[in-house]
Amino acid sequence: ETGVTQTPRHLVMGMTNKKSLKCEQHLGHNAMYWYKQSAKKPLELMFVYSLEERVENNSVPSRFSPECPNSSHLFLHLHTLQPEDSALYLCASSQEARPGQRQYTFGSGTRLTVV
Amino acid sequence: GESVGLHLPTLSVQEGDNSIINCAYSNSASDYFIWYKQESGKGPQFIIDIRSNMDKRQGQRVTVLLNKTVKHLSLQIAATQPGDSAVYFCAETTGNQFYFGTGTSLTVIP
Repeated sequence: ETGVTQTPRHLVMGMTNKKSLKCEQHLGHNAMYWYKQSAKKPLELMFVYSLEERVENNSVPSRFSPECPNSSHLFLHLHTLQPEDSALYLCASSQEARPGQRQYTFGSGTRLTVV
Repeated sequence: GESVGLHLPTLSVQEGDNSIINCAYSNSASDYFIWYKQESGKGPQFIIDIRSNMDKRQGQRVTVLLNKTVKHLSLQIAATQPGDSAVYFCAETTGNQFYFGTGTSLTVIP
């Protein structure tokens, strides 16, 4: 257990479904992140929250909607996804949001399959 | 464009041997580098980092070497064990950007 907990571990959803991924960190960090990990591709940064404010949104389609209600919790709301959105979605936290200062602690991820 | 790549997608080593995993980067302004290990079914885990003002840094059984002249980063694992089997990523920071490589899959043969 790394201190960053993601649920569910696995999710299968249809293209018309709405679902949410949840992330919780117990490390007292002040920044949280969503990453997408696809086979044979580098990790793709999706969203960055620092002190509960979204500070980065890397051209992610609007069918992905993040929410950070407090510094310990992060959600990724999913709606009308496409099969190419199937991937491992990783949540991470760090004590500092600036790229040069990030030492990520990752969760184990949610394996998402869109059918 | 920016790229962080690895020379080999897979590497197999005998248990007890040393492993070397390589990573190339393209931006000479990169100033911070990290190696991550990702075991099956888990997220990436921090192993060791190095700043651009250093050439070498050692941890427990791991050493990271940075060659800024050829923009090359390597991770050396001493006395490789079955528990070292995983995918290893390098990552670099350049200004406001943070880049990950695609990963090398290390398999340790008993």
